[in-house]
Amino acid sequence: SQQGEEDPQALSIQEGENATMNCSYKTSINNLQWYRQNSGRGLVHLILIRSNEREKHSGRLRVTLDTSKKSSSLLITASRAADTASYFCATDGGGADGLTFGKGTHLIIQP
Amino acid sequence: DSGVTQTPKHLITATGQRVTLRCSPRSGDLSVYWYQQSLDQGLQFLIQYYNGEERAKGNILERFSAQQFPDLHSELNLSSLELGDSALYFCASSVDGSGVRSAEQYFGPGTRLTVT
Repeated sequence: SQQGEEDPQALSIQEGENATMNCSYKTSINNLQWYRQNSGRGLVHLILIRSNEREKHSGRLRVTLDTSKKSSSLLITASRAADTASYFCATDGGGADGLTFGKGTHLIIQP
Repeated sequence: DSGVTQTPKHLITATGQRVTLRCSPRSGDLSVYWYQQSLDQGLQFLIQYYNGEERAKGNILERFSAQQFPDLHSELNLSSLELGDSALYFCASSVDGSGVRSAEQYFGPGTRLTVT
């Protein structure tokens, strides 16, 4: 079953604009991760934020985490055509299971 | 390139058949994870192996099984295949030192299974 739910399901913006995707989850987590997937290919790890962190940056990526609201957001600044992909949040509960993925946000960057 | 390899890339087979998917983890990674991605179920964790032993089990059907060999490569066996088993199957690996699960997982390119 899915733990994370991304919102929106799809997002189309112009190149250069910022893209924001949100993720909500249901149970307590050890950390939350964001992955990117290009059209049916393998997932690429983008960034990880631990449950005791509130914000993290990596290049053009900014992730926030609000454990009280069980939500996270991924901001991609100055978007590029190459950012077109599906973005997934994945929660790690720290227990004896793997990552639990949401259904993803499909991001389209229009040149 | 994540360093995780999976073979074959594509597999087309008939219902009732059995297939084996293969995964080689990144050099030095002890853990291998298997995931299934389908349109209706999304990405689901199936099973994890750590240094040859089963570590965790997710939504894996009884018709499916996996193993990790001494050289750390892993195989996922799918039997009595049904149409609904058509999906992308991903393998991921992670360092997981001393049995403690590390955070980042590195995904292979996947095997696309089509059951006809």
